[in-house]
Amino acid sequence: DGGITQSPKYLFRKEGQNVTLSCEQNLNHDAMYWYRQDPGQGLRLIYYSQIVNDFQKGDIAEGYSVSREKKESFPLTVTSAQKNPTAFYLCASSYRQGTYEQYFGPGTRLTVT
Amino acid sequence: GESVGLHLPTLSVQEGDNSIINCAYSNSASDYFIWYKQESGKGPQFIIDIRSNMDKRQGQRVTVLLNKTVKHLSLQIAATQPGDSAVYFCAEGVAGGTSYGKLTFGQGTILTVHP
Repeated sequence: DGGITQSPKYLFRKEGQNVTLSCEQNLNHDAMYWYRQDPGQGLRLIYYSQIVNDFQKGDIAEGYSVSREKKESFPLTVTSAQKNPTAFYLCASSYRQGTYEQYFGPGTRLTVT
Repeated sequence: GESVGLHLPTLSVQEGDNSIINCAYSNSASDYFIWYKQESGKGPQFIIDIRSNMDKRQGQRVTVLLNKTVKHLSLQIAATQPGDSAVYFCAEGVAGGTSYGKLTFGQGTILTVHP
């Protein structure tokens, strides 16, 4: 089946630890995105990448880092510099041209205590 | 930056009724708009989109209307069913350049359908 996978579904970490969230897609999409969602809120863009080995900061990039070494993968690292890391993290992907629809993964709920 | 917002955070309807979810946007440069449905604990699912050169687009049981004069977007769901209960987001984007594909999401409207 084609789609976007995120793992794990739930993640728990102690404060001060870095944690990496996985995002993989087999849709042959060029562009990939990371969003953060807080309870009762919309989605806020953290980072996005339109092609391999290139990425741009979104609206709330501070405390996060990404890499895009492969077309299929766009991992997100939540660093200890992120002040409020507990949230629901969503990864998405899309084609670069012709359509603007983004396909979303199932999300990872990160809890930092 | 400019953002997309929603007039109503919650909407309750009876099964079989038609639902209308509204969205106000402020970026006059936006070229396209998308409606997403998000069920609890899941990622958003695409419902329908519309380009700025259109004022109406229909899908299966859904219609999106775009009024560029007042910067307003709406999603109409016909014969609403309990399975339509979810949070609905509108999103806007600007085509071209480095912003291609980048979406700005609204706050969301919670739709509850009562049987």
